[in-house]
Amino acid sequence: QKEVEQNSGPLSVPEGAIASLNCTYSDRGSQSFFWYRQYSGKSPELIMSIYSNGDKEDGRFTAQLNKASQYVSLLIRDSQPSDSATYLCAVNPLSNFGNEKLTFGTGTRLTIIP
Amino acid sequence: GAVVSQHPSWVICKSGTSVKIECRSLDFQATTMFWYRQFPKQSLMLMATSNEGSKATYEQGVEKDKFLINHASLTLSTLTVTSAHPEDSSFYICRALGVAGVHTQYFGPGTRLTVL
Repeated sequence: QKEVEQNSGPLSVPEGAIASLNCTYSDRGSQSFFWYRQYSGKSPELIMSIYSNGDKEDGRFTAQLNKASQYVSLLIRDSQPSDSATYLCAVNPLSNFGNEKLTFGTGTRLTIIP
Repeated sequence: GAVVSQHPSWVICKSGTSVKIECRSLDFQATTMFWYRQFPKQSLMLMATSNEGSKATYEQGVEKDKFLINHASLTLSTLTVTSAHPEDSSFYICRALGVAGVHTQYFGPGTRLTVL
């Protein structure tokens, strides 16, 4: 089992709709969770971090964390063509606690259809 | 503006030559630098972790004599790919951590290396 799993996609969503991206992780003791956006040919850009169960909202983005289910998701409301990118889920497992060495998923490619 | 820079942004070199990539934190002190490699359509692969003034810690399978990492100051880390070969062609990205750990973390813009 991979440490961090994401559906590779591609995920196609109409403009204006809600895009839902999912991620599961294997280390139950994981403490920190991050979502990055990566445009083709560019480096990842941090868009959300979440540390406790529940929802965290920032503009059009909402991160959801359920530690019992070892599940973290990212919702993008009012999707725009500029949201088309690969979204990487990253987790700081308990085994890496203190050294901040994140484990990344393989990413989900999101395409927003105008 | 960018808080972490990488230089060069892209480089093309002949097989057998060495290439140095610089990663600089511009307005914070980076206590830890991570170096990643990313092949097309794949995720980030951690190569090594470096702390200022210490030897780098390499991930399993990464040749430390081929990928030399130096973190001589709190604002500069370098990755040197020695005797580069075509299979080393990749996108190399650094990630810098400040004293607040993951609360101050930034990726550099990346360096595209092509070895002919």
